[in-house]
Amino acid sequence: GDSVTQMEGPVTLSEEAFLTINCTYTATGYPSLFWYVQYPGEGLQLLLKATKADDKGSNKGFEATYRKETTSFHLEKGSVQVSDSAVYFCALSPSGGYQKVTFGIGTKLQVIP
Amino acid sequence: DVKVTQSSRYLVKRTGEKVFLECVQDMDHENMFWYRQDPGLGLRLIYFSYDVKMKEKGDIPEGYSVSREKKERFSLILESASTNQTSMYLCASSSPTAFFGQGTRLTVV
Repeated sequence: GDSVTQMEGPVTLSEEAFLTINCTYTATGYPSLFWYVQYPGEGLQLLLKATKADDKGSNKGFEATYRKETTSFHLEKGSVQVSDSAVYFCALSPSGGYQKVTFGIGTKLQVIP
Repeated sequence: DVKVTQSSRYLVKRTGEKVFLECVQDMDHENMFWYRQDPGLGLRLIYFSYDVKMKEKGDIPEGYSVSREKKERFSLILESASTNQTSMYLCASSSPTAFFGQGTRLTVV
């Protein structure tokens, strides 16, 4: 079945540091790929998405590129802020069928001033 | 703005009670989901529904049931609550991007 693998963390960075959170997936066909963010005590919010190979999703300074050849969708940000502290989830939705969304385990990011 | 609304943010129930968690979406999505979220385990799918009156078991359906009588509403039912069902419950709808409610933190005592 479909699966998503990401590092659990926590990841601790200083403000203005470069962020990478790795995400790889296993799925048949061409799934849509997503990054969600969860702030403390809240539900998940869509951060960015990509629906086909080589697409780049971007939002709020975050970027991720859909790499079919390496089945990856790594999240990057050039300069993190304290307000980026949250849990980040990589996810996929298959291209057909019931479109059941599969999530990674989530990576907790803590940014310190 | 798209909206998925869960009926409660916090609930405290006693062991053995029947518990209803309600979720409503206003996006006319066909797919709706219930997840539970626990530390170190990520999001685990309990049940999902792809149409009115249709449901499919997810990864951890034991102890739960669901109801989808109308397209916009998807209810999660704990038939007899137990302490190991204390968790954060998240509802989502998708097409195919998933949109989430704010979550219900359920404590069973």
